[in-house]
Amino acid sequence: QQQVKQSPQSLIVQKGGISIINCAYENTAFDYFPWYQQFPGKGPALLIAIRPDVSEKKEGRFTISFNKSAKQFSLHIMDSQPGDSATYFCAASSPSGGYNKLIFGAGTRLAVHP
Amino acid sequence: EAGVAQSPRYKIIEKRQSVAFWCNPISGHATLYWYQQILGQGPKLLIQFQNNGVVDDSQLPKDRFSAERLKGVDSTLKIQPAKLEDSAVYLCASSAYRGGPSGELFFGEGSRLTVL
Repeated sequence: QQQVKQSPQSLIVQKGGISIINCAYENTAFDYFPWYQQFPGKGPALLIAIRPDVSEKKEGRFTISFNKSAKQFSLHIMDSQPGDSATYFCAASSPSGGYNKLIFGAGTRLAVHP
Repeated sequence: EAGVAQSPRYKIIEKRQSVAFWCNPISGHATLYWYQQILGQGPKLLIQFQNNGVVDDSQLPKDRFSAERLKGVDSTLKIQPAKLEDSAVYLCASSAYRGGPSGELFFGEGSRLTVL
């Protein structure tokens, strides 16, 4: 019940295209759904996050779509650029027990070709 | 604002040897996390501290791993004795969380361990 399932494992997109990464969860106590971006040799960095009281959040070229009834959320990267090539992790957090515990998906390696 | 600091960045040891990693979180952050990231996988939580108390160590292999956070600031993660399967990046993260809705975790650059 604590798992976050992410797909696809890898994704190749042409420059200017749309990248879509999907995640699913089971635990209805999750109250925070961030996406982290990780470049080689670096730690994960927060890209964008959403709470379950909204269905969509947009920041520049990055959009999270959230479907509470289906327990799914996705990241859309519009106008994908070679600089977006990185590994993307979805995650979910629950404050249950009074502690902020973050569970990660397995990651999607995105390659944007020029 | 200074980020999460970790050292060493890289460490190579023989199996059965010991190793220690150090983390200095963002100033004022009450919660500190150690994650293990095996190549090609997502980070897995090893241990979570709230101030200097452990709130979750359910996935920490306690027969070989130990961690402490003295005075609620810096933390050290130790592995003794190391196994081949411990080869991974050890990520430290911190959060300002003190209750209420969940919030952002800030990660260091990690310590890459290779066990030969």
